[in-house]
Amino acid sequence: GQNIDQPTEMTATEGAIVQINCTYQTSGFNGLFWYQQHAGEAPTFLSYNVLDGLEEKGRFSSFLSRSKGYSYLLLKELQMKDSASYLCAVLDSNYQLIWGAGTKLIIKP
Amino acid sequence: IAGITQAPTSQILAAGRRMTLRCTQDMRHNAMYWYRQDLGLGLRLIHYSNTAGTTGKGEVPDGYSVSRANTDDFPLTLASAVPSQTSVYFCASSVLSGSRNEQFFGPGTRLTVL
Repeated sequence: GQNIDQPTEMTATEGAIVQINCTYQTSGFNGLFWYQQHAGEAPTFLSYNVLDGLEEKGRFSSFLSRSKGYSYLLLKELQMKDSASYLCAVLDSNYQLIWGAGTKLIIKP
Repeated sequence: IAGITQAPTSQILAAGRRMTLRCTQDMRHNAMYWYRQDLGLGLRLIHYSNTAGTTGKGEVPDGYSVSRANTDDFPLTLASAVPSQTSVYFCASSVLSGSRNEQFFGPGTRLTVL
């Protein structure tokens, strides 16, 4: 079966750095997405990785290792507004997105 | 309209009733999707449409139907609602199906079936 694992919840301090991990086992791989979802709102796109390595976009970076079935989202200089759920999703061999359950990130002052 | 809209925002429905959730996008995207989101579970694909006139089944299609008569609209119908269909429903669209095309999501419909 297809499976995407992420921690259920993480806590970090304002101004710090946090790394949210995602491991996946899917039928085929055509890319990995990270989305942000604030409570009661719709998911919004953060990043896309299809090749191994690090993609940096401002305070957010996303890393992919296809051989390990592993990705992480790195958030730097955390702000209170970063409190949200972070969803990992893999595009499988049928080009359908398979979603993880999400990681709820709590930022404390 | 800017982006994707969904209606209603929320609804309480008696079991056995028929309900249609509406979704409209003005971005001229070819592909559209319906997901449900339940606590502790990832988004699960119900139905999708790669282009107007075509639809396909996702991971959890039973009890739901869709149509795609034109590019902009993608309604989701529950023929006879059951309590297990209580969920938050998101409609999404992308330029094309597959590839790196990010999906844009509507604000969601919170449905409670009693």
